[in-house]
Amino acid sequence: DIQMTQSPSSLSASVGDRVTITCRASQGISNYLAWYQQKPGKVPKLLIYAASTLQSGVPSRFSGSGSGTDFTLTISSLQPEDVATYYCQKYNSAPLTFGQGTKVEIK
Amino acid sequence: QVQLVQSGAEVKKPGASVKVSCKASGYTFTSYYMHWVRQAPGQGLEWMGIINPSGGSTNYAQRFQGRVTMTRDTSTTTVYMELSSLRSEDTAVYYCATERGANRGVDAFDFWGQGTMVTVSS
Repeated sequence: DIQMTQSPSSLSASVGDRVTITCRASQGISNYLAWYQQKPGKVPKLLIYAASTLQSGVPSRFSGSGSGTDFTLTISSLQPEDVATYYCQKYNSAPLTFGQGTKVEIK
Repeated sequence: QVQLVQSGAEVKKPGASVKVSCKASGYTFTSYYMHWVRQAPGQGLEWMGIINPSGGSTNYAQRFQGRVTMTRDTSTTTVYMELSSLRSEDTAVYYCATERGANRGVDAFDFWGQGTMVTVSS
């Protein structure tokens, strides 16, 4: 099975900072990569699919890039409401594995 | 609007089974595959498997093979996930989720149920 590895596992940044989270697949998955945001005690929310397509209603400060094995989620200007854990997920084929998550906090 | 409403919290003893339901509304039930994902306390998301609500075909994650059964009832637009031989490590929130696109089977999840807490304790 393809493994998904995120880094870092957690980060702390100031409001307004640019934040980048990386997700690496153990084998190529083309662009079948999604990013989710999960706020504490809440249901996961789809942010980005097809590696770089923003889900409707998601603020434009979120962006995704990558293809093959290396992907990034970028928050261009971190806001207090972005405090959450972010997960990548491959969906090219089953099993639809998630990364282990990256917890984002405000410094 | 799309809604996935799951059944309520459950407390089970080790060795028992649990059956969680997910009632779908607001879209064509048979056109969108349904997935199950679980999350142990303080842990990440774990994909469990998928069911095609149209024909009922399933595909389970290897680690749950033999213990999980996903079914659907098209008359009530409800999907079920039953997990047997429960152990303490199965304590988690269980989510159902639908895919973005119709009739795909491999897609990102854009609608999620509210989650069902299953506690396994003696």
